[in-house]
Amino acid sequence: EDKVVQSPLSLVVHEGDTVTLNCSYEVTNFRSLLWYKQEKKAPTFLFMLTSSGIEKKSGRLSSILDKKELFSILNITATQTGDSAVYLCAVVSIEGGSEKLVFGKGTKLTVNP
Amino acid sequence: EAQVTQNPRYLITVTGKKLTVTCSQNMNHEYMSWYRQDPGLGLRQIYYSMNVEVTDKGDVPEGYKVSRKEKRNFPLILESPSPNQTSLYFCASSLWPSVTDTQYFGPGTRLTVL
Repeated sequence: EDKVVQSPLSLVVHEGDTVTLNCSYEVTNFRSLLWYKQEKKAPTFLFMLTSSGIEKKSGRLSSILDKKELFSILNITATQTGDSAVYLCAVVSIEGGSEKLVFGKGTKLTVNP
Repeated sequence: EAQVTQNPRYLITVTGKKLTVTCSQNMNHEYMSWYRQDPGLGLRQIYYSMNVEVTDKGDVPEGYKVSRKEKRNFPLILESPSPNQTSLYFCASSLWPSVTDTQYFGPGTRLTVL
């Protein structure tokens, strides 16, 4: 059974801190890994990773994938209160010719002023 | 404006009363999907569709049906809802999840089954 595990499940930091969120996975036919941010509404896309070792970056957020060790990390530097959200990791796998997504349970990040 | 719409946004119903949650996208996307989100369990895929007339079960398909007769619409049908289907439901669409880097989510439907 495909599995995506995120850690920690929750995290409380102060503004300005740097945080690292983890996502490990076990899937039979890996295609890609996705990161989303979810505030009090629908998830919004952050990154898609398909190749090991290539960092994706957007402002203070960055992410990298390790396909050998089967994990990804999401880094947020100089955190702001607006970064408070649940961060979701999802893995796309191929099953019977179709593409299926499996999500982790998310990491709830709280950034205090 | 590119968007995924879901209706209704909120629904309270009773056990056994058939209901349909509609989902429509205006981006000509091939891939559409339904998820449910429950506290502590994250997002779980119910059904997905790679294209018209092609649907596949996700991780939690029991108690749900879907159809994909047109590219833009992907309704979720609960033939006989039960209280354990009380949840927040999201519809999403993309070209394909791995071909494109953006999956668009609808605003969500909060369903309560009494």
